[in-house]
Amino acid sequence: GAVVSQHPSWVICKSGTSVKIECRSLDFQATTMFWYRQFPKQSLMLMATSNEGSKATYEQGVEKDKFLINHASLTLSTLTVTSAHPEDSSFYICSARATNNYGYTFGSGTRLTVV
Amino acid sequence: DAKTTQPTSMDCAEGRAANLPCNHSTISGNEYVYWYRQIHSQGPQYIIHGLKNNETNEMASLIITEDRKSSTLILPHATLRDTAVYYCIVRVASNFGNEKLTFGTGTRLTIIP
Repeated sequence: GAVVSQHPSWVICKSGTSVKIECRSLDFQATTMFWYRQFPKQSLMLMATSNEGSKATYEQGVEKDKFLINHASLTLSTLTVTSAHPEDSSFYICSARATNNYGYTFGSGTRLTVV
Repeated sequence: DAKTTQPTSMDCAEGRAANLPCNHSTISGNEYVYWYRQIHSQGPQYIIHGLKNNETNEMASLIITEDRKSSTLILPHATLRDTAVYYCIVRVASNFGNEKLTFGTGTRLTIIP
């Protein structure tokens, strides 16, 4: 079945630094990838939708200059949290949709802690 | 965008069938119903999806009412590993033509030994 690998699974960084999270589709090509954020005891909130080779589409209220998304190939999307602050600490999850397929596969998530 | 309503929490005895309801009264004719579950600190796991016919796979069954305004996810023989938050999602189309999944609050299912 479709597998999405997300790396790292957890990261701790200092306030003011940037962190990059990778999302890879291992056995299928993903024309569209989605990035979610989940705070403790809350549901997943969609941050942005990225399409291979084009700019990401951000949800209302999500700062595109702070959360940089790059989807340079059909198997890789990256999310960079720039100038991270403690309030950016959260569980970040990516999802990929295969070409010509209505299925959505999720990565295992990245727990970001900013200290 | 069609929204869903689910009970906040449910308990089910181990070995019994778990029936999780979902209301989606504003669903459009071309919108699918998806079910995912999330075990603590993991990414969501796909369970099943359907448009208007009942569906069954190795994990669960999905029963959709004839008017499509509600559905029920059935886990036939619940085990302790089925303890998770279950999300019922109606697939929407964004303003930019990208189809995305919007998560509600879900149902926290606890399987009781």
